[in-house]
Amino acid sequence: GENVEQHPSTLSVQEGDSAVIKCTYSDSASNYFPWYKQELGKRPQLIIDIRSNVGEKKDQRIAVTLNKTAKHFSLHITETQPEDSAVYFCAAAGGGADGLTFGKGTHLIIQP
Amino acid sequence: DAGITQSPRYKITETGRQVTLMCHQTWSHSYMFWYRQDLGHGLRLIYYSAAADITDKGEVPDGYVVSRSKTENFPLTLESATRSQTSVYFCASSDAGENTEAFFGQGTRLTVV
Repeated sequence: GENVEQHPSTLSVQEGDSAVIKCTYSDSASNYFPWYKQELGKRPQLIIDIRSNVGEKKDQRIAVTLNKTAKHFSLHITETQPEDSAVYFCAAAGGGADGLTFGKGTHLIIQP
Repeated sequence: DAGITQSPRYKITETGRQVTLMCHQTWSHSYMFWYRQDLGHGLRLIYYSAAADITDKGEVPDGYVVSRSKTENFPLTLESATRSQTSVYFCASSDAGENTEAFFGQGTRLTVV
């Protein structure tokens, strides 16, 4: 089955700086890569996703890049703000097993 | 989101007891999923369902049973609860399987003592 590795597990950045979270996946047949944000005590919510026919996607301060050859994808957050503090999960799907396979999460801390 | 709801929000049960976690969605999504969330493990898939009366195992199905007699409901039953099943359980739904956005319920925090 699919295996998703996510790094780092904790990331602390100064407010206004950029944050980058990286994920790798194992199943070359995976073709859908969403990113979820989970605030403390709340449910995960989709913030951005990318499909295998696209190399990069942006939505305001958030961008995701995908390298299918290397089987890795990354989340980039620019001009970080205090409300960006949360746990971020990457996921992969479409490789033959139903359901999303998640990474273990990155706790992003924005320092004032 | 009122579209997918879980009940109860919190549950404490004893080892060996049967407990059922409920999940209800109002979007008529065909796919529904159960995940458990544990520190250090992220979200792991327990069971999923592609449609009413169709269910299949995920990564960690042992000790759990699901059913889906109606499209909108997807209950998860722990037949004989164990302490290792203490976790936060999330139900999710999507309208086209794993390749579209999954919407999560608010979660059920289950403690087995």
